[in-house]
Amino acid sequence: EIVMTQSPATLSVSPGERATLSCRASQSVSSNLGWYQQKPGQAPRLLIYGASTRATGIPARFSGSGSGTEFTLTISSLESEDFAVYYCQQYNNWWTFGQGTKVEIK
Amino acid sequence: QLQLQESGPGLVKPSETLSLTCTVSGGSISSNSFYWGWIRQPPGKGLEWIGSMYYSGSTYYNPSLKSRVTISVDTSKNQFSLKLSSVTAADTAVYYCARHSSAFFDYWGQGTLVTVSS
Repeated sequence: EIVMTQSPATLSVSPGERATLSCRASQSVSSNLGWYQQKPGQAPRLLIYGASTRATGIPARFSGSGSGTEFTLTISSLESEDFAVYYCQQYNNWWTFGQGTKVEIK
Repeated sequence: QLQLQESGPGLVKPSETLSLTCTVSGGSISSNSFYWGWIRQPPGKGLEWIGSMYYSGSTYYNPSLKSRVTISVDTSKNQFSLKLSSVTAADTAVYYCARHSSAFFDYWGQGTLVTVSS
């Protein structure tokens, strides 16, 4: 099983600032990685797939990068609706998720 | 617009079988090249893929749950179902059904909380 490890567990950021979230795979997943946003009481929403391709309707302030075992999700300028939990997910071998990073208001 | 809706008991006793159904509307469950899967999320924790069924009928299960999981489909009702046997308190979670490709999960149900307790 490929284990996905996200850091940090919690990120405190002020509105308008940049947020950088990390995801590491226990073995290479190539670019077979997605990012999801989850708000309380809601299902996850796909943000990024293929490590760097934004899903339909996702604002340009969300960007993804990386390949192999190291990946980054960057939110360039946080807006109020971006405070949520973010999960990475690999699909190179079955489907596994990271444990999440909570982005909270500083 | 594709919509998915989970249904089933919210309370299951330890050692019994958890059974959930996902009803799909706005599209056919027999659509080419899509998987129909189940994901769960224990309270305050992360997401765990449980298993999926390909449109052709092939099933794929998380190795850690494989011995207890069965996913089946009823194409006449545009539904697919999850059975998880021998449940314990560790199986308490919000259970989501979702459509996915070989890659990402793009449509999700709203989720249903299942509590395992006597």
